[in-house]
Amino acid sequence: SQQGEEDPQALSIQEGENATMNCSYKTSINNLQWYRQNSGRGLVHLILIRSNEREKHSGRLRVTLDTSKKSSSLLITASRAADTASYFCAPTYSGAGSYQLTFGKGTKLSVIP
Amino acid sequence: GAGVSQSPSNKVTEKGKDVELRCDPISGHTALYWYRQRLGQGLEFLIYFQGNSAPDKSGLPSDRFSAERTGESVSTLTIQRTQQEDSAVYLCASSLLGTQETQYFGPGTRLLVL
Repeated sequence: SQQGEEDPQALSIQEGENATMNCSYKTSINNLQWYRQNSGRGLVHLILIRSNEREKHSGRLRVTLDTSKKSSSLLITASRAADTASYFCAPTYSGAGSYQLTFGKGTKLSVIP
Repeated sequence: GAGVSQSPSNKVTEKGKDVELRCDPISGHTALYWYRQRLGQGLEFLIYFQGNSAPDKSGLPSDRFSAERTGESVSTLTIQRTQQEDSAVYLCASSLLGTQETQYFGPGTRLLVL
């Protein structure tokens, strides 16, 4: 399996603080996506960063990609209680089965009001 | 517009019974995916449909699992002779073309096999 590995497994912060979670992967990617999952149900796409991009922003989200280190990070600024969720990264690769999203166990973020 | 919908939301069944899970993708999306998520785990890919091409069934865990899709619309995932280890959330997703772009997920069906 070529899933991404999220780190840390769990993160607890106060509302208003920033949250950073990391993702590592093993082989060259085409792109990497971040998803959020609330209450163990459907996933919501947050952001997609392509292999030739280094940084991308979307609202309070900032994603970086370092292909030399095979890693990505997701930063949530000025966190809110509603950001409490599990966050997953999904690297995508070339070749057979490249459409599959492979997820790790995620980072469980708790934002305390 | 409507997102991906799945039914039922929850299903409790007895070991050995068959279950059928339904997914309605976003209209116009040619690609449809089924995933399984066990408690506290990541997603396991099960099956992928793309237009009229033969589906990729490489993720189906056993021959008790099968899925069908009618054209580019509804899909059903069938689990025969359910086992307790089949208990999980089954998630369906669709995407416009199936070429590594964003996948849109339904809310999932939580299956509990007693």
